[in-house]
Amino acid sequence: EADIYQTPRYLVIGTGKKITLECSQTMGHDKMYWYQQDPGMELHLIHYSYGVNSTEKGDLSSESTVSRIRTEHFPLTLESARPSHTSQYLCASSVGGEGEKLFFGSGTQLSVL
Amino acid sequence: KQEVTQIPAALSVPEGENLVLNCSFTDSAIYNLQWFRQDPGKGLTSLLLIQSSQREQTSGRLNASLDKSSGRSTLYIAASQPGDSATYLCAVKRNQAGTALIFGKGTTLSVSS
Repeated sequence: EADIYQTPRYLVIGTGKKITLECSQTMGHDKMYWYQQDPGMELHLIHYSYGVNSTEKGDLSSESTVSRIRTEHFPLTLESARPSHTSQYLCASSVGGEGEKLFFGSGTQLSVL
Repeated sequence: KQEVTQIPAALSVPEGENLVLNCSFTDSAIYNLQWFRQDPGKGLTSLLLIQSSQREQTSGRLNASLDKSSGRSTLYIAASQPGDSATYLCAVKRNQAGTALIFGKGTTLSVSS
């Protein structure tokens, strides 16, 4: 069982609010990722990190930002949420080397009204 | 641009049947391919990972095959059970240095008792 945790599981907020989605893993993995998934659609990578103080944007453009101050923690922040940000956000981690099997958290379902 | 397609989009079978889920990808130059399971409202669980040099991987009642030259992978589920009901996602990794997995939209499986 993977030890990667996301909070909150569900979040309903009004437009213009600042929000932070939390993601933590206890496996010591260097690599962490944020994916966005709309219902019935593919997952798309929006941010990734190869280690502390390393963050990069993914394939899908996103207005969110991330930080990686500690190995185990990879929070995602939206400064001003909009209805277009409504989606499921999935955090994942992996260890480098051959294979790089991904472990996913349970996700945060965000609804912006 | 790599694209991943999964057919069928949905599948309903009675308990006990053997079934095959299909995944195709447009660029055969991949590093590895993973099959994931996603339960409603939850994150993804990695089921099987096949390296580009491998032809198949097995775990319990699951068998995944890879034919890189034709851009295809199949997930075979033997003796299906109601607990197998979930969405099954296929994802390819472009290269060892590349970070993003390219996901298909998934096949939603329903196994009735």
